[in-house]
Amino acid sequence: EDQVTQSPEALRLQEGESSSLNCSYTVSGLRGLFWYRQDPGKGPEFLFTLYSAGEEKEKERLKATLTKKESFLHITAPKPEDSATYLCAVQEGTDKLIFGTGTRLQVFP
Amino acid sequence: DGGITQSPKYLFRKEGQNVTLSCEQNLNHDAMYWYRQDPGQGLRLIYYSQIVNDFQKGDIAEGYSVSREKKESFPLTVTSAQKNPTAFYLCASSISIATNEKLFFGSGTQLSVL
Repeated sequence: EDQVTQSPEALRLQEGESSSLNCSYTVSGLRGLFWYRQDPGKGPEFLFTLYSAGEEKEKERLKATLTKKESFLHITAPKPEDSATYLCAVQEGTDKLIFGTGTRLQVFP
Repeated sequence: DGGITQSPKYLFRKEGQNVTLSCEQNLNHDAMYWYRQDPGQGLRLIYYSQIVNDFQKGDIAEGYSVSREKKESFPLTVTSAQKNPTAFYLCASSISIATNEKLFFGSGTQLSVL
């Protein structure tokens, strides 16, 4: 069964303390891997799409990377406003997206 | 500004009652989706539509119904057959399903049972 697993479930960081979030997947034919940010009580907001192993994308303090089995979302020198739940989703072929359960990030000043 | 509008923000359902959640988009997207989000679970697909007057069941369609009479609108009805409707409901759209395009999400509707 196709699966998307995110870890850790929750992460608490001090402001400026860099870390990484993991998204592992088992789909056989990856069409695209998506990262979203979701604030409490709001809809997810698109961050990145990665299409092939070795690809990297950056946006401010966030950098997403992709291998054949997993993706990492690296957060460099995070700030309290980076606190949110980060969702990973995978698309196989032309099929619908499969979402992970998310990583809840809290950054303390 | 282009985007997706969901209403209401909060909705309460009485036992045996059907309720309808509204979703409107002005992005000129062909594809629209309804997801359900429960604490500790990933987003689960309820229904999706690729074009007007056509829609398909997702992974958890039982107890729900949809219509797609206009490109811009994709309302979701939570029927009395859905025994555990309390959840956060998200509407989304994309240019198409076949391409690996990103989803744009609305701000969600929190449905609770009285």
